Amino acid sequence: GDSVTQMEGPVTLSEEAFLTINCTYTATGYPSLFWYVQYPGEGLQLLLKATKADDKGSNKGFEATYRKETTSFHLEKGSVQVSDSAVYFCALTRGYQGAQKLVFGQGTRLTINP
Amino acid sequence: KAGVTQTPRYLIKTRGQQVTLSCSPISGHRSVSWYQQTPGQGLQFLFEYFSETQRNKGNFPGRFSGRQFSNSRSEMNVSTLELGDSALYLCASSLGPGLEETQYFGPGTRLLVL
Repeated sequence: GDSVTQMEGPVTLSEEAFLTINCTYTATGYPSLFWYVQYPGEGLQLLLKATKADDKGSNKGFEATYRKETTSFHLEKGSVQVSDSAVYFCALTRGYQGAQKLVFGQGTRLTINP
Repeated sequence: KAGVTQTPRYLIKTRGQQVTLSCSPISGHRSVSWYQQTPGQGLQFLFEYFSETQRNKGNFPGRFSGRQFSNSRSEMNVSTLELGDSALYLCASSLGPGLEETQYFGPGTRLLVL
């Protein structure tokens, strides 16, 4: 079945450091890929998405590129801030005619120190 | 446009009781999905509803059930609660199959079973 694997956390960085959170997936067909973020005590917020190979999703300085050849969707940010501290989830879902079911990675807890 | 709302936000029950959680989707969204989040199992798909019909169901026992109303609002019910049902229950809405499939999440209902 479909699955998503994220790099294990927790990840601790200093403010203004470069961030990479690795995400790889296993799925048949052509899934859409997402990054969601969860702040303490809250639900999930959509951070960015990509729906086809070579698409780049971006939002709030975060970027991720849909790489079908390596089945990856790594999250990057050039300069992190304390406010980026949260848990990040990589997820996939099937295409438009497929199931409306998100398959999530295990989450990566990110802590940014001032 | 208002986001996904869930009620109640917090709930404490005892083993053997039943509970009903409610979700109101974003206006115009007709698909509602439910997820369970626990520290041990992460985020797991419960079920998805569209046009008052359950389209998909995750691997959960029959104690977990749901329904969707004509106005797209959804409820999920857990009967004969067990300690292991303690979790954050997240509802997500989307436009529906064949349309933009991005799911937007509510703040969740945190259920504690004693």
